[in-house]
Amino acid sequence: RKEVEQDPGPFNVPEGATVAFNCTYSNSASQSFFWYRQDCRKEPKLLMSVYSSGNEDGRFTAQLNRASQYISLLIRDSKLSDSATYLCVVPRPTNKLIFGTGTLLAVQP
Amino acid sequence: EPEVTQTPSHQVTQMGQEVILRCVPISNHLYFYWYRQILGQKVEFLVSFYNNEISEKSEIFDDQFSVERPDGSNFTLKIRSTKLEDSAMYFCASSDPRGQETQYFGPGTRLLVL
Repeated sequence: RKEVEQDPGPFNVPEGATVAFNCTYSNSASQSFFWYRQDCRKEPKLLMSVYSSGNEDGRFTAQLNRASQYISLLIRDSKLSDSATYLCVVPRPTNKLIFGTGTLLAVQP
Repeated sequence: EPEVTQTPSHQVTQMGQEVILRCVPISNHLYFYWYRQILGQKVEFLVSFYNNEISEKSEIFDDQFSVERPDGSNFTLKIRSTKLEDSAMYFCASSDPRGQETQYFGPGTRLLVL
């Protein structure tokens, strides 16, 4: 099993839609998780941190299910500007970040 | 808002040449990292650096790679003899002592080895 797995997509959704991405991780000892956003040919940018059961920031909600070892990211009221690749990231205890392959979101007008 | 900067933004080199990629981490950060992303693939960890020494390196980070913090602000990645497969985007990242896991990435250097 890969250390971090994501559905690569693409997810094509209309503006205003709600979309959810899932990510599974293999190391049950992992304590914290991140969602980064990456625009085409740009650097990853931190979107949200998840340390306990979940986190909410405006239209974005991240949830953690430790028993099933998955993290989800929910985006409500999608905007055109949300189009990007969403990276699920799990840090190792040494702070090395393990990246998933990313899920591509395309929000259509 | 403070940010990580990297130079150059693009580098084209011939196979076998040496390249040095430069990074200026966020000023109060003490942990520094290099990652790379081959086109179409996921971001991969190369090396972490703290207190003037390598903390961890991946299997990708072989003897052809080295890192250095030559002064109080720069953090460099050197590839001694580039190979075609070194073509990738190289990202520098840094984090502060209080939030070591939260890493902030620079804009990257796109390296093309011909």
